[in-house]
Amino acid sequence: DAGVTQSPTHLIKTRGQQVTLRCSPKSGHDTVSWYQQALGQGPQFIFQYYEEEERQRGNFPDRFSGHQFPNYSSELNVNALLLGDSALYLCASSPRDSGQFFGPGTRLTVL
Amino acid sequence: GQQVMQIPQYQHVQEGEDFTTYCNSSTTLSNIQWYKQRPGGHPVFLIQLVKSGEVKKQKRLTFQFGEAKKNSSLHITATQTTDVGTYFCARPGGYNKLIFGAGTRLAVHP
Repeated sequence: DAGVTQSPTHLIKTRGQQVTLRCSPKSGHDTVSWYQQALGQGPQFIFQYYEEEERQRGNFPDRFSGHQFPNYSSELNVNALLLGDSALYLCASSPRDSGQFFGPGTRLTVL
Repeated sequence: GQQVMQIPQYQHVQEGEDFTTYCNSSTTLSNIQWYKQRPGGHPVFLIQLVKSGEVKKQKRLTFQFGEAKKNSSLHITATQTTDVGTYFCARPGGYNKLIFGAGTRLAVHP
């Protein structure tokens, strides 16, 4: 049973560009959450998808958007990239009321 | 939602010494979760505590949830080099949203 998978593992973009990150949740998990982790900090919640709808959102601008597909996989899109968007982007899936399973993350560098 | 405060920020120990990290909240928590992140890795779920005064053990790791459900601790007995990493506590923020502390980075010197 594969755990949470994310692609790509690393990405380099320049300011103003757009990026799409992908996540496949652990088998049997229907909820996907996205987190941003800056260097030396704890993960910060971006948003969560359930039943193909954004169910909850953290304090991130509208440049951050997402999508969940019928197979529960998810995408995170970031438009108009800023230098400060450089971070590790983590996807987590979970059954209800339990710990979350994190994917290996996508390391985004914005130059 | 309210943040959770973690102390210390860093801890350096000699292999074999004990280690404790503390997590504090200004509000009562329904539960607290603990995660470990190895250098260059991703957070890995360790445990969830739900009950007031709960104590759970995983081998050399002991997790406690305070009576008032506002604080928690993780204690590692006789640290090993494999314990190196950052330990995060996280509180629920609605549905399955997690609000993480800043973490405690543990370094173990052989």
